[in-house]
Amino acid sequence: GAVVSQHPSRVICKSGTSVKIECRSLDFQATTMFWYRQFPKKSLMLMATSNEGSKATYEQGVEKDKFLINHASLTLSTLTVTSAHPEDSSFYICSALPGLASSYEQYFGPGTRLTVT
Amino acid sequence: GNSVTQMEGPVTLSEEAFLTINCTYTATGYPSLFWYVQYPGEGLQLLLKATKADDKGSNKGFEATYRKETTSFHLEKGSVQVSDSAVYFCALSDRADEKLTFGTGTRLTIIP
Repeated sequence: GAVVSQHPSRVICKSGTSVKIECRSLDFQATTMFWYRQFPKKSLMLMATSNEGSKATYEQGVEKDKFLINHASLTLSTLTVTSAHPEDSSFYICSALPGLASSYEQYFGPGTRLTVT
Repeated sequence: GNSVTQMEGPVTLSEEAFLTINCTYTATGYPSLFWYVQYPGEGLQLLLKATKADDKGSNKGFEATYRKETTSFHLEKGSVQVSDSAVYFCALSDRADEKLTFGTGTRLTIIP
């Protein structure tokens, strides 16, 4: 099946620094990618929808200046957490929607565990 | 808006037991319904889906039927295995914007 990778899988950073997380579709082109945040023992919360070549659409309550999303190509989207704080510590997951799909199936990456100290 | 409610769990069962994880939804229009599974240390994988009322999704012995009248999509398996231990998420997709709305997830542990 379709494969989506994320890098890094885990990252620890100091408060005030920025962290970039990459999401790649390895064997298909993704016109749309989604970024989620998963809290412990809770569900996935959609943060933003990223379309190749255009600005991301953020969900209500998500700070677009804090969570910068770039979808520069059909196989790569990046999420940059700027000026990270301990409350940003979480599990971040991306998914990708194949451009030619008609089944509305999103393919998920394995997630990135961010810890801000 | 759209929402998904599922059994919180955790659920612990013995091997070969019957499994049901309840899922109900609220949505405008006619959403597609999904069950995703997340094995330890891995990303979410699509387990099964149904795109219209009365459709039955099935995979790996799991089944779920899209019930419009009860707005439900309960997950069932007749005989669970230790390898089924994972977190299961019910989700719906609004066809208009393809966004997924997830339930809170149910952690399932199968003991030998």
